[in-house]
Amino acid sequence: AQKITQTQPGMFVQEKEAVTLDCTYDTSDPSYGLFWYKQPSSGEMIFLIYQGSYDQQNATEGRYSLNFQKARKSANLVISASQLGDSAMYFCAMEGNTGNQFYFGTGTSLTVIP
Amino acid sequence: EAGVAQSPRYKIIEKRQSVAFWCNPISGHATLYWYQQILGQGPKLLIQFQNNGVVDDSQLPKDRFSAERLKGVDSTLKIQPAKLEDSAVYLCASMAGRELYNEQFFGPGTRLTVL
Repeated sequence: AQKITQTQPGMFVQEKEAVTLDCTYDTSDPSYGLFWYKQPSSGEMIFLIYQGSYDQQNATEGRYSLNFQKARKSANLVISASQLGDSAMYFCAMEGNTGNQFYFGTGTSLTVIP
Repeated sequence: EAGVAQSPRYKIIEKRQSVAFWCNPISGHATLYWYQQILGQGPKLLIQFQNNGVVDDSQLPKDRFSAERLKGVDSTLKIQPAKLEDSAVYLCASMAGRELYNEQFFGPGTRLTVL
């Protein structure tokens, strides 16, 4: 069974500082994809970054990077130089290779403090 | 290109009433998902379509929920009759194909309140 775990219900970070949001996963699929989404208070889900299980390098997208540790089954999101607009819910998700099914974690609420 | 459209954006009904949500995915996207997101939780997959066929509906409460995707384009999700615990945001998402690791594009969601 697929499972995504986000153990931080809420996080605070000072503006311009970096923050790491934790995500661990469990799967028996040999190949899979890991995603991070941002959900502001307005409700839309915004794709941030993707990491494939066979990718050798950690994914980066602007201020977002994914710290992928396959042996530990973790896929932590690092946001550098936090901005006030980064305040939102952040969801880690996994796509298995059996039917494009997505599994989401419970989310982490990030608050950026001026 | 236009994004995923959903309507209505908000709906308030009383328990035991029926409600229907509509989703129009991005043009050409073969895969369509319906999720239920209860306040404070992550989205939970209800049903996944590939064109007009169902790929996964294992978490759909079939005694009260139904969904269809006629002609492999638009989709409707229906709840009949609604319960208090159905209060949630219902998200529709679409994806271009069945290749692994495609990005899902989400609609704005429909916020349902059951009184």
